Amino acid sequence: GNSVTQMEGPVTLSEEAFLTINCTYTATGYPSLFWYVQYPGEGLQLLLKATKADDKGSNKGFEATYRKETTSFHLEKGSVQVSDSAVYFCALAVPELSFGAGTTVTVRA
Amino acid sequence: DAMVIQNPRYQVTQFGKPVTLSCSQTLNHNVMYWYQQKSSQAPKLLFHYYDKDFNNEADTPDNFQSRRPNTSFCFLDIRSPGLGDAAMYLCATATGLGITYNEQFFGPGTRLTVL
Repeated sequence: GNSVTQMEGPVTLSEEAFLTINCTYTATGYPSLFWYVQYPGEGLQLLLKATKADDKGSNKGFEATYRKETTSFHLEKGSVQVSDSAVYFCALAVPELSFGAGTTVTVRA
Repeated sequence: DAMVIQNPRYQVTQFGKPVTLSCSQTLNHNVMYWYQQKSSQAPKLLFHYYDKDFNNEADTPDNFQSRRPNTSFCFLDIRSPGLGDAAMYLCATATGLGITYNEQFFGPGTRLTVL
């Protein structure tokens, strides 16, 4: 079946640190891949997406590259801010979304 | 701005008392979803509408029902809420064509408390 395995948290960082959250997937066919972010008490917001192999999604300083050979879609940001504190979900669409378990990120000033 | 709206943001109900959550969208998307999200967990898909066609997930309890009277609105009915149904309920929309569905846009969610 289709599934997403996401790095477990929680992750605590200092401001300006480098963030990486690992995500690997299992899917039949060629799914689209997404990262969603959820701030406390809010719904999910699409952070970035990639629809085919080698695509790089980017937004708000975050990046992720669709790696078909390693079935991965790791999220990275070079310099985090306190405002990046949230829960991050990796997801794939075939076509319904399958979510990873979520990674809670806390950035300290 | 085009968006997905959920009302109310917070809903309190009593054990066994029916409750309805609502979702509306101005995106004119043909697909609408309802998810249940419990604390510190990923959202769990309950069902979705592709246009007027209702698609129920195999493990969604019969206690949960949905209605979509038109493109813009979708309702989640919980016929007899139990304590285990306390959760955040998320509505999402997307455009879909055949077997291709584009990314989903989520509303802010309704936090349901069952007393």
